[in-house]
Amino acid sequence: QKEVEQDPGPLSVPEGAIVSLNCTYSNSAFQYFMWYRQYSRKGPELLMYTYSSGNKEDGRFTAQVDKSSKYISLFIRDSQPSDSATYLCAKRSEYGNKLVFGAGTILRVKS
Amino acid sequence: DTAVSQTPKYLVTQMGNDKSIKCEQNLGHDTMYWYKQDSKKFLKIMFSYNNKELIINETVPNRFSPKSPDKAHLNLHINSLELGDSAVYFCASSQMGLAGAMNEQFFGPGTRLTVL
Repeated sequence: QKEVEQDPGPLSVPEGAIVSLNCTYSNSAFQYFMWYRQYSRKGPELLMYTYSSGNKEDGRFTAQVDKSSKYISLFIRDSQPSDSATYLCAKRSEYGNKLVFGAGTILRVKS
Repeated sequence: DTAVSQTPKYLVTQMGNDKSIKCEQNLGHDTMYWYKQDSKKFLKIMFSYNNKELIINETVPNRFSPKSPDKAHLNLHINSLELGDSAVYFCASSQMGLAGAMNEQFFGPGTRLTVL
């Protein structure tokens, strides 16, 4: 079993839809949970992160961590074609700065 | 200004060759990383250096050898290239910071390696 499981998609939605991206993880000894966005042929860039459990909101994006069920979610409201990218969830190991990534979900928002 | 840069951007080579990829960061960070992203977009850490010292060394064939001449540079040398080495290699950097701090990692644009 991978440490972070993520459905690779692709996920195709119409413009304006609410998007829900999810990951599960298997080891609870982590502090930070992150979402990276990666446009085609570019490097990943940090979109949001949460510490421990709970929600964090930033504009149209909400990151959520449920430690009891080991579930990480990213919600995108009013999705735009510019949101089309691969979204990678990650968690940070307790050892130094090692990030463990999920497989990434390809999102396509159609106008 | 480019924060994390890599050269070359594309690398096409024959099996058995030796090649190097270079990475430089101008963010003043003390920690640098190499990641490999396979054709299914799965991104996995290979190595990490903190102040020129190797701190993360994942299960990677010893044909891969990282070298950090200083805090701002981390190069990756690959010997005897194999077909399975074809992937996109990303360099990243961050501050090590205090234990428990966020220490965001900034990624370079990637080097697309194709082994024929």
